[in-house]
Amino acid sequence: EDQVTQSPEALRLQEGESSSLNCSYTVSGLRGLFWYRQDPGKGPEFLFTLYSAGEEKEKERLKATLTKKESFLHITAPKPEDSATYLCAVILSTGTASKLTFGTGTRLQVTL
Amino acid sequence: ETGVTQTPRHLVMGMTNKKSLKCEQHLGHNAMYWYKQSAKKPLELMFVYNFKEQTENNSVPSRFSPECPNSSHLFLHLHTLQPEDSALYLCASSQDGTGAIEQYFGPGTRLTVT
Repeated sequence: EDQVTQSPEALRLQEGESSSLNCSYTVSGLRGLFWYRQDPGKGPEFLFTLYSAGEEKEKERLKATLTKKESFLHITAPKPEDSATYLCAVILSTGTASKLTFGTGTRLQVTL
Repeated sequence: ETGVTQTPRHLVMGMTNKKSLKCEQHLGHNAMYWYKQSAKKPLELMFVYNFKEQTENNSVPSRFSPECPNSSHLFLHLHTLQPEDSALYLCASSQDGTGAIEQYFGPGTRLTVT
């Protein structure tokens, strides 16, 4: 059975304290991975797509990396506005199409 | 209006009521989705429409009935719901329905079934 696990479940950082969020998966037919950010009371906001092992994407203080078994979302010198839940979604091949399997998210809180 | 909009944002309904959720996308996309998000659970895909045709029904109970009159609008008709159906219902759209490209989400409808 395909499984996507995000860790930690919750993370509290001080402003400027860099850290990484993990998305690990046990799946067959991996085609890629999405990272999303979700603020309370809102829908997920697209951040990155990664398709190949070794690929990296950056946006402001965020950097996403991908291996065959896991992805990391690195947050450098976070600010309070980075507080949100970060979701990963694995793209799985189902023959001619694909399906997404989401993780349960990491809830990040950045304090002053 | 930009992006993906959903109405209403909050809905409280009794188990015998009938209501509908509405989603509209202004991105020119061809695929639309309904998801259910419950606390501590991953997003659950419910339905997929690609060029107005339903391409996926993820074993969703018949008390949820989707409708897609065109590529920009998606409805979810609700009737005789159960308390366990209380959740955040999210609509999303993408350029195509292959599942391999990013989806853009609306703000969701917070549904409470009493």
